[in-house]
Amino acid sequence: EVQLVESGGGLVQPGGSLRLSCAASGFTFSSYSMNWVRQTPGKGLEWVSYISSSSSSIYYADSVKGRFTISRDNAKNSLYLQMNSLRAEDTAVYYCARAAALHFDYWGQGTLVTVSS
Amino acid sequence: QSALTQPRSVSGSPGQSVTISCTGTSSDVGDYNYVSWYQQHPGKAPKLMIYDVSKRPSGVPDRFSGSKSGNTASLTISGLQAEDEADYYCCSYAGSYTWVFGGGTKLTVL
Repeated sequence: EVQLVESGGGLVQPGGSLRLSCAASGFTFSSYSMNWVRQTPGKGLEWVSYISSSSSSIYYADSVKGRFTISRDNAKNSLYLQMNSLRAEDTAVYYCARAAALHFDYWGQGTLVTVSS
Repeated sequence: QSALTQPRSVSGSPGQSVTISCTGTSSDVGDYNYVSWYQQHPGKAPKLMIYDVSKRPSGVPDRFSGSKSGNTASLTISGLQAEDEADYYCCSYAGSYTWVFGGGTKLTVL
């Protein structure tokens, strides 16, 4: 059974940093591209970042470019999102999602990030 | 990238059919046959319902179908059931490994 479990969310002040993790199991992690997608409270979904299976290709939404860094450790079956210079508008539930071709076939349960003073 | 446009809400009675539209541009929906739809129940993670415009993952009932014409994609749910009540989001590939989502549609089963 495919499982994706996010962690690392919490309350952080504006301008602060946070590192999210996503632990994957039930599939060959190193064979799949992965993504981070976020959902603001009561609002819709927003794609955040993509990383290919070998980390050779990385892409970001304009809203986080230069502030967020996606990475992965295939030996640890883990995906990460380093978030710096956080803003109030980054407050959201962050999901990791497995990429199957050009859609997202499995999602984690999400981790809440709150940016507030 | 601007969000795709979906109706805020739709409703239908059990057994009826409903269609949710998703309008993008010639740079996303109109340019790629990579539209996907996700169902989300309150407090739960999104679940893939349709991918590549009209394909259903294993386990998704055939009551769910997808289509596309020009810059607009559609999700149709036939034979509505109470458990279909949820939020539905469309998503389109937008090139260069970027994606754009719709704002979401709340489906109410009357």
